[in-house]
Amino acid sequence: DAKTTQPPSMDCAEGRAANLPCNHSTISGNEYVYWYRQIHSQGPQYIIHGLKNNETNEMASLIITEDRKSSTLILPHATLRDTAVYYCIVRVSGANSKLTFGKGITLSVRP
Amino acid sequence: GAVVSQHPSWVICKSGTSVKIECRSLDFQATTMFWYRQFPKQSLMLMATSNEGSKATYEQGVEKDKFLINHASLTLSTLTVTSAHPEDSSFYICSARATSGRRGNEQYFGPGTRLTVT
Repeated sequence: DAKTTQPPSMDCAEGRAANLPCNHSTISGNEYVYWYRQIHSQGPQYIIHGLKNNETNEMASLIITEDRKSSTLILPHATLRDTAVYYCIVRVSGANSKLTFGKGITLSVRP
Repeated sequence: GAVVSQHPSWVICKSGTSVKIECRSLDFQATTMFWYRQFPKQSLMLMATSNEGSKATYEQGVEKDKFLINHASLTLSTLTVTSAHPEDSSFYICSARATSGRRGNEQYFGPGTRLTVT
């Protein structure tokens, strides 16, 4: 699976949009971009995923560049409860394909 | 709501004993389950992948005789840490993937089990 690169940390103000970048320059055509987050001492939580089109759900939006070499997760109105480690992962479809976690980006939402 | 549960949520055991951790998918059938381990301030590390009814596939460096995985049904997988030692103290997280239905091909994680070996 292709690797991803994320900044180690960022912060944003409560109520503002949080834009979390991810580089995946070696992504293959059949690999999806997944985002998970992990709040302290809990299991990871699925956020969103996409292949090449932008995606939106009740939690976030995922913007994937046209060349698919990078993406941005957008939390439109960050709250204190969004403070967590966010993982950007690329993975092929398939029952046995693995989710391999990197270091992620630590998002701190400040009051 | 939670779709994957783990039991127990935390456990303390003495060195040399064995500990079993259960992972259940609550509202879907999971033909594939994964076990991860996470040490403090580190990321999740995949230990093994298991398919219902077959032997688990372990990642390089993970001792299969120490970490016994059983995936006997489509909703239950267990991880047994045998002859536990203090260095096995960690946060163990299971994950289940649905291959059909409304949750098809999505992977969900349990809340984790904190193991402390004294």
